[in-house]
Amino acid sequence: AQSVAQPEDQVNVAEGNPLTVKCTYSVSGNPYLFWYVQYPNRGLQFLLKYITGDNLVKGSYGFEAEFNKSQTSFHLKKPSALVSDSALYFCAVRDRDNYGQNFVFGPGTRLSVLP
Amino acid sequence: EAQVTQNPRYLITVTGKKLTVTCSQNMNHEYMSWYRQDPGLGLRQIYYSMNVEVTDKGDVPEGYKVSRKEKRNFPLILESPSPNQTSLYFCASQHLPDDEQFFGPGTRLTVL
Repeated sequence: AQSVAQPEDQVNVAEGNPLTVKCTYSVSGNPYLFWYVQYPNRGLQFLLKYITGDNLVKGSYGFEAEFNKSQTSFHLKKPSALVSDSALYFCAVRDRDNYGQNFVFGPGTRLSVLP
Repeated sequence: EAQVTQNPRYLITVTGKKLTVTCSQNMNHEYMSWYRQDPGLGLRQIYYSMNVEVTDKGDVPEGYKVSRKEKRNFPLILESPSPNQTSLYFCASQHLPDDEQFFGPGTRLTVL
């Protein structure tokens, strides 16, 4: 069965500092991996995805994520946090080798960027 | 504009009164899905559909029904709602196999 863990419920970081939001996953085959962001009272917005190829993926709003197969991780990073990055972040996985599999989302990590 | 629409956006109902939440996408996506979002639990998939007339259970299908008679529509049906179905519901669609999902704005459902 597929699963996603986001070990931190909450991450606090000062504006201008680098941020990391952690994600680890479990799939039986090879993964498609995604990060989404949810602002208050809004739906989910896509940030970036890993399908294949380069392990470092760059996405929207200056975010990037690194796929690490040996550690089964896909941590989200940004070199310099903005107050406007404060939101709820979700990691998601789908098994690339099992076409009929559904998506599984992590529980979410709330990021607070302090001015 | 490419989008996923859901209606209604807010609904307050009573236990046992059948309801339908509609979902429509204008991107000709094969895949559509319903999720519920609850505090501390993230998004949990209720049902998904790989194409017209093809639906399958997600992680929390009990108490829900879906249908996919047309490619663009994927309604969520609660035949006899109960208070534990009070939640925020999202519909999503995507082009298979590896595109990102596009999410609707959400439907906040309260069952009294």
